[in-house]
Amino acid sequence: KAGVTQTPRYLIKTRGQQVTLSCSPISGHRSVSWYQQTPGQGLQFLFEYFSETQRNKGNFPGRFSGRQFSNSRSEMNVSTLELGDSALYLCASSSRGTSGGNNEQFFGPGTRLTVL
Amino acid sequence: QKEVEQDPGPLSVPEGAIVSLNCTYSNSAFQYFMWYRQYSRKGPELLMYTYSSGNKEDGRFTAQVDKSSKYISLFIRDSQPSDSATYLCAKSTAGNKLTFGGGTRVLVKP
Repeated sequence: KAGVTQTPRYLIKTRGQQVTLSCSPISGHRSVSWYQQTPGQGLQFLFEYFSETQRNKGNFPGRFSGRQFSNSRSEMNVSTLELGDSALYLCASSSRGTSGGNNEQFFGPGTRLTVL
Repeated sequence: QKEVEQDPGPLSVPEGAIVSLNCTYSNSAFQYFMWYRQYSRKGPELLMYTYSSGNKEDGRFTAQVDKSSKYISLFIRDSQPSDSATYLCAKSTAGNKLTFGGGTRVLVKP
């Protein structure tokens, strides 16, 4: 089975721009979560999507948004980029749904975003 | 106080030694626990997953959960230089939201 894939792998943007990151979950997984990883704050949860609906949200400003498509692929958007948004953005997929089940989460390789 | 606390290390051990990693957590709601390994500039890789107190073994890895003490441990037997990485503990409560510790950097010296 192919793992979680994320594109692009590296991205350089300037302050004020916006960026869209993409994630394709493991085949059959319907839950996609996004995380931000920085040296100072570690891994922090951004949001989770399941069946095209946001199910959970972390403590990030509204500039961070996401969506999920009917094929479970997900995109994350950051608008009005700030220097502090430089981070590794990770996506994780899980087979767990609202009726329970295994919620092991498998991460992709991440997108490294640099904001200049 | 952070929900999941982890010693940042680095933890340096000779090849073949047992690596012992620990996490403490707050908030006692029913939850799952996971250990991830992350190599530099890579995504975290799931090593162990458990939701009950006690031990769970998988090859050279043993995960231990003590819910009464709110303590999570990971033991790596017969450590190899390839085990040098950052190890992250995490707990899952609401849905698939994971709360991570800060990670412990491990160095296994040949």
